[in-house]
Amino acid sequence: QVQLQESGPGLVKPSQTLSLTCTVSGGSISSANYYWNWIRQRPGKGLEWIGYIYHTGNTYYNPALKSRLTISIDTSKSQFSLKLGSVTAADTAVYYCARGWSGIHFFDYWGQGTLINVSS
Amino acid sequence: QSALSQPASVSGSPGQSITISCTGSSSDVGRFNLVSWYQQHPGKAPKLIIFDVSNRPSGVSNRFSGSKSGNTASLTISGLQAEDEADYYCSSYTASSTVDIFGSGTKVTVL
Repeated sequence: QVQLQESGPGLVKPSQTLSLTCTVSGGSISSANYYWNWIRQRPGKGLEWIGYIYHTGNTYYNPALKSRLTISIDTSKSQFSLKLGSVTAADTAVYYCARGWSGIHFFDYWGQGTLINVSS
Repeated sequence: QSALSQPASVSGSPGQSITISCTGSSSDVGRFNLVSWYQQHPGKAPKLIIFDVSNRPSGVSNRFSGSKSGNTASLTISGLQAEDEADYYCSSYTASSTVDIFGSGTKVTVL
């Protein structure tokens, strides 16, 4: 059974960089069949796709976040990561990592989500 | 890119059928059969219930069905049950930015 688990600081100060890691178990992060996503949900709001990365390191980002965003992958550790710079209160959200199917674009396995609060 | 448009809320009585719409454009829903639907209960991660417009993953009830016409996709829940009360989101690939986008979400209430 594939499992994804987010890990991160919980609290980030405004203007700092938010860093999150997703650890994948029960399946190969190096498979060409999948791409690896970050998705967030602000309190009481809908889902917002942030970006994704392939095992090759190729990335695609939400245009609204692109200037502040970096997603990377470490296949040796079966992990992929997100860095979002210059955060504000508007970045307070539950952040999910999820597995997507390459070329088909749906998300079949999700992490439980981690709440990130941006506050001084 | 803009979110796909969904009604904010839909309600129905147990046993009834309800339909949730998801309206996009010719760059996303209308162009690709890459629409998926997710069910989210409070405090939980979303769960995939429909992919490729109308396909159900293994283990998902056949009370959930999907379809598409033009730029609008639809999710129908038949034989509505109390456990179906949740938020539902559609998603589609979009050619306009070669990315994925979500719908605005629909809260389903079982009366």
